[in-house]
Amino acid sequence: EAGVAQSPRYKIIEKRQSVAFWCNPISGHATLYWYQQILGQGPKLLIQFQNNGVVDDSQLPKDRFSAERLKGVDSTLKIQPAKLEDSAVYLCASSLDSQGPSYEQYFGPGTRLTVT
Amino acid sequence: AQSVAQPEDQVNVAEGNPLTVKCTYSVSGNPYLFWYVQYPNRGLQFLLKYITGDNLVKGSYGFEAEFNKSQTSFHLKKPSALVSDSALYFCAPLAAGNKLTFGGGTRVLVKP
Repeated sequence: EAGVAQSPRYKIIEKRQSVAFWCNPISGHATLYWYQQILGQGPKLLIQFQNNGVVDDSQLPKDRFSAERLKGVDSTLKIQPAKLEDSAVYLCASSLDSQGPSYEQYFGPGTRLTVT
Repeated sequence: AQSVAQPEDQVNVAEGNPLTVKCTYSVSGNPYLFWYVQYPNRGLQFLLKYITGDNLVKGSYGFEAEFNKSQTSFHLKKPSALVSDSALYFCAPLAAGNKLTFGGGTRVLVKP
């Protein structure tokens, strides 16, 4: 089966510019996650969707970050305006559902963002 | 609240020797514990999980982990390490709503 797809793989922008990342989860997976992984750290959950509804966005910096999952499939994560500290790898993951602990998350390859 | 500690930033081991990556956790309620591996420039890959049942859990690529409730540990092990096992390893407890809590990870370097 096809894995989680993300694009672009790499992006370099200047501070105060905007950027968008795209994620296509595994077919049939209801739950979609966006993580931020800063160099040398573990991934930090930014937002979790169940179908097209937001389950948890408590760690999303809402003044500059936004995310949507129209039609409950693909998702986009946007940063506007970007800051230097947003330089990180942005990982998308999906799982069958969020109601059972046996549903492991499958991760995409990530988008490496560099803000200069 | 969930938390995890991986006390070693890096583990060095010779190829063919046993590999152990340590993890201790703090969770409320029943612990659901996962191990993921991250190879360079790639996303995380699921290795194994403990939900319930046998304390020794077997996973992908010859890895296994032992759940120890009294010591709140979930150490990852492999009897004979390969150079290709060199990667970043994350232990992660699972909170309600299927939310993983990642620590800083442990880098494993297997030398030929």
